[in-house]
Amino acid sequence: KNEVEQSPQNLTAQEGEFITINCSYSVGISALHWLQQHPGGGIVSLFMLSSGKKKHGRLIATINIQEKHSSLHITASHPRDSAVYICAVRSGTGNQFYFGTGTSLTVIP
Amino acid sequence: DSGVTQTPKHLITATGQRVTLRCSPRSGDLSVYWYQQSLDQGLQFLIQYYNGEERAKGNILERFSAQQFPDLHSELNLSSLELGDSALYFCASSVGHSSYNSPLHFGNGTRLTVT
Repeated sequence: KNEVEQSPQNLTAQEGEFITINCSYSVGISALHWLQQHPGGGIVSLFMLSSGKKKHGRLIATINIQEKHSSLHITASHPRDSAVYICAVRSGTGNQFYFGTGTSLTVIP
Repeated sequence: DSGVTQTPKHLITATGQRVTLRCSPRSGDLSVYWYQQSLDQGLQFLIQYYNGEERAKGNILERFSAQQFPDLHSELNLSSLELGDSALYFCASSVGHSSYNSPLHFGNGTRLTVT
């Protein structure tokens, strides 16, 4: 049983397309993180959410606490957005992190 | 650059051996987190330290241990290594003890290969 489920697992888009990655979780949380991992392996934290919506450049993240669901949107996608996007939640007790298996995004020029 | 430094970048060792991974957090960050990323199990949370004290414990094996020193750097010790311990080990840091209000900053990871 996975506490965090992401969809889709793989996504290919044309440059300029609007992209949505979904994350559903089954545990009570104190925070949800969206992470980006490039082919070289390094991880960058994109967003940390506990409610509502956040925007950074072309990236938007939303969370619905009641539905236990979050989405990551990329507007006007670009080949440099090609990476694995990982949803992670910290449990409400703060004692555990749970990770999704990631969404591999490829943006074609 | 996240400001989090992990050393070494790569480590190759044999089964049964012991290794130490090191992490220096971003300046001003008091929390250090350790994560393991393997091909078959993805990312897993191992342990968190905050200002020298253990704060949260995840899926860390008994063969593994960690500590955070007064200068806030942290070390992850892996002993009696097995082939299955081969993975990327990431360190992250944050200002506070909870990621509720403190974003995580990740190091570039240490790639451990056990032969």
